[in-house]
Amino acid sequence: AQSVTQLGSHVSVSEGALVLLRCNYSSSVPPYLFWYVQYPNQGLQLLLKYTTGATLVKGINGFEAEFKKSETSFHLTKPSAHMSDAAEYFCAVSAISSNTGKLIFGQGTTLQVKP
Amino acid sequence: EAEVAQSPRYKITEKSQAVAFWCDPISGHATLYWYRQILGQGPELLVQFQDESVVDDSQLPKDRFSAERLKGVDSTLKIQPAELGDSAMYLCASSLTSGQNYEQYFGPGTRLTVT
Repeated sequence: AQSVTQLGSHVSVSEGALVLLRCNYSSSVPPYLFWYVQYPNQGLQLLLKYTTGATLVKGINGFEAEFKKSETSFHLTKPSAHMSDAAEYFCAVSAISSNTGKLIFGQGTTLQVKP
Repeated sequence: EAEVAQSPRYKITEKSQAVAFWCDPISGHATLYWYRQILGQGPELLVQFQDESVVDDSQLPKDRFSAERLKGVDSTLKIQPAELGDSAMYLCASSLTSGQNYEQYFGPGTRLTVT
């Protein structure tokens, strides 16, 4: 079975500071990994995804994530936080065994950006 | 830009009542997903359709939940009778077809409160 653990349900940073949101996954086969963002009362929007190939993945809004197989991690980073980055972020893994595209989500991390 | 539409956006119902949610996926998208997101948790897949056929409903509480996509386009998720524990955000997503390489596009969700 696949699972995702997001370390830290709440992260607070100052505007302009580095954003680091942690995600670890469990999978018996190479996973597809995703980061989604959810603004209040809205659906989820894809930030970036890792499938195969380059382990450093760049996404929208200046975010990037690095797939580290040895650490089973896929942490999300952004060099400089903006106030507009305040939202909830979800890491997800795709259930490759079924090939249906089913996503298994972590519990989410709320990012607070202080002025 | 095409979007996934959901209605209603908010629903308050009393326990033991019936409630229904509607989803209209992006035109041409063969795969439709219904997720449930309990407050403070990540979304969990309830049911997945490929055209009008159910691909995965392993997490759907079939004693009270039902879902249909009769013509392979829009879909309805029904709960009868509603229970207090059903209070959650119900998200609909669609993709061109099933599989990890096809991005899921999420609607804004229906927030259900059961009193």
